[in-house]
Amino acid sequence: EVQLVQSGAEVKKPGESLRISCKGSGYTFTDYWITWVRQMPGKGLEWMGRIDPSDSHTNYSPSFQGHVTISADRSITTAYLQWSSLKASDTAIYYCATSDFGAYYMDVWGKGTTVTVSS
Amino acid sequence: QSALTQPASVSGSPGQSITISCTGTASDVGSYNFVSWYQQHPGKAPKLLIYKDTKRPSGVFNRFSGSKSGNTASLTISGLQAEDEADYYCCSYARSSALVVFGGGTKLTVL
Repeated sequence: EVQLVQSGAEVKKPGESLRISCKGSGYTFTDYWITWVRQMPGKGLEWMGRIDPSDSHTNYSPSFQGHVTISADRSITTAYLQWSSLKASDTAIYYCATSDFGAYYMDVWGKGTTVTVSS
Repeated sequence: QSALTQPASVSGSPGQSITISCTGTASDVGSYNFVSWYQQHPGKAPKLLIYKDTKRPSGVFNRFSGSKSGNTASLTISGLQAEDEADYYCCSYARSSALVVFGGGTKLTVL
């Protein structure tokens, strides 16, 4: 069974750094993009960016470029979403999902990681 | 403001059919066959319902169907059931640096 298991909820203060993870299993990790999607409280879905785990090539939405870093370690079939300096506006649920190469839809989703940034 | 426009809410009675529209531009919805639709129940992760405009993943009921005309895509749910009550999002490839854009979401209420 294809699964994406995301790391647990985080509570951080503004200015702190954070890395959340997404571990894939049940498939060949390098055969699919890993995409990250944000959902702010009570709001809709926003496409943040994606990574090709085979070579770590990334694409970012302009809205998130420079604010987050997407990375992956294919040896442990895990992708990451990282912030160097969190803001209160980063409070959201973050989902990872698989995406076919050459396609632009998200197939299998993780359960999400809730990030709360508050002083 | 979302790149793709969806109605904020729709409603229908059990057994009826409803259609949710998703309007974009020639640079996204109208450009390629890359519209997808997602269902999200409260507190749950989204679930893929439709991809490449009209295709259904295995395991998705055939009550869910996708179509497209010009710059507007549509999701039709036939034979409404109580468990269909959820938020629905469209998504499209965008021929711009944004790459992928979502609609603002539509809340479906089953009366």
